[in-house]
Amino acid sequence: GENVEQHPSTLSVQEGDSAVIKCTYSDSASNYFPWYKQELGKRPQLIIDIRSNVGEKKDQRIAVTLNKTAKHFSLHITETQPEDSAVYFCAALGSGNTGKLIFGQGTTLQVKP
Amino acid sequence: DAGVIQSPRHEVTEMGQEVTLRCKPISGHNSLFWYRQTMMRGLELLIYFNNNVPIDDSGMPEDRFSAKMPNASFSTLKIQPSEPRDSAVYFCASSRQGGGNTIYFGEGSWLTVV
Repeated sequence: GENVEQHPSTLSVQEGDSAVIKCTYSDSASNYFPWYKQELGKRPQLIIDIRSNVGEKKDQRIAVTLNKTAKHFSLHITETQPEDSAVYFCAALGSGNTGKLIFGQGTTLQVKP
Repeated sequence: DAGVIQSPRHEVTEMGQEVTLRCKPISGHNSLFWYRQTMMRGLELLIYFNNNVPIDDSGMPEDRFSAKMPNASFSTLKIQPSEPRDSAVYFCASSRQGGGNTIYFGEGSWLTVV
C-alpha cells in the first residue's frame, strides 16, 4: 500500500545551522507533498508544500525539493532558530485525487540556542 | 473563519464506556478526515468523507470505531466500547474537495481511557 518514510526521527542542531529532513514515498502517482509543523500540544500546521510539476520551492528560511524519479522530497530549514523546534511531518497525497494524505512518522527537531 | 472545531478537547473515561468525538469542518470544505495520533504509530488516517459520504474507512481499527457525517457541517467519531489502547489524540481535519488542497487540522481531542 501507500507508504511514506521519513528520516531522521530526531535531529538536533545549533541555532543558526541548517536542518534537513528527508522523505521517500511509494506511490508513483502522488503529486502533492505538504510539510506540517507540530509544536508540543498543538495541531499540525502546514508550513510549505510542493507539487509534482516543480522541483523546488522556497519560502524565506524554508525550502522543499522534490525528485520524482527517485520518489523522494526534502525539507531544508536555514538559519535555524529556537522557535523552529517542533515535530515536522512530511506527507504525500495518495493516488486517485481523493485528498487522502499519507504522513511520515515525523522528525523531532531541536534547535539549541 | 473559526477553523476546524473539535469537542471535547479533553476526555477521560473508563474502559467500556462509549466515547463520542465531534467535529465541525471549515465552512465550504467538503472533505473531512479523522486522524489518530500516538507516539508509537504517529498520525494515522482513520476515515475520510467527501461530500458527507465515507470514501475510505480502511484505517478504522476495528468494529468498535464508527464515524458519521450527517451533514456538511458536522461529523462524529464514536468508540464503543472504549479500551485503554484507544488513548490518543484524535484530530479532525478538512479541505476543499480534490487532491492538492490544503488540509487544515482542528485542535484535537485528547482521549484517555483508564
